[in-house]
Amino acid sequence: AQSVAQPEDQVNVAEGNPLTVKCTYSVSGNPYLFWYVQYPNRGLQFLLKYITGDNLVKGSYGFEAEFNKSQTSFHLKKPSALVSDSALYFCAVRVGNQGGKLIFGQGTELSVKP
Amino acid sequence: NAGVMQNPRHLVRRRGQEARLRCSPMKGHSHVYWYRQLPEEGLKFMVYLQKENIIDESGMPKERFSAEFPKEGPSILRIQQVVRGDSAAYFCASSPPAGINEKLFFGSGTQLSVL
Repeated sequence: AQSVAQPEDQVNVAEGNPLTVKCTYSVSGNPYLFWYVQYPNRGLQFLLKYITGDNLVKGSYGFEAEFNKSQTSFHLKKPSALVSDSALYFCAVRVGNQGGKLIFGQGTELSVKP
Repeated sequence: NAGVMQNPRHLVRRRGQEARLRCSPMKGHSHVYWYRQLPEEGLKFMVYLQKENIIDESGMPKERFSAEFPKEGPSILRIQQVVRGDSAAYFCASSPPAGINEKLFFGSGTQLSVL
């Protein structure tokens, strides 16, 4: 069965420091991986995706993610965190061979303190 | 170009009543997905629809839940005889028909509270 795990419920970083939000996956076949962000009382917003190609994927708001096939990981990173980055982050993997059906991780709450 | 519109934002129902959640996809999008988010959990896939067709309903509970996306009008997620366990945030997402790896655009959700 395909699955996504986010091992940390919460990540705390100081503004200006680098941040990493971890994600590991288990899929059969090639993985199609996504990161979404959810701000309070809002729907999810797309950050970035990995389909094929370069292992380092750049996305919105200065975020990037590194696909590591041997470690089955797709960690989200940002070199310098902002207070406004504080939100709930979800990793997801596409399942099936049609449409955008996604399996989401349980989410990681990112808190950036000034 | 308006985003994905969901209404109502908040819906309160008593046990045994029916809940109807509406979703209007982004203009030009013909694929609609419904997800449910329970407290302290991630989103769980419920159903994937295209106009007048249910493509994948593998995440839908077998009873009381149904979804439609008619030729005209919004997609509707219907929950009959609601129970307290149905309390959750229900999110609709849409995508264009261009490709299977297109990103999803999410609405702001409907928070269903069952008393």
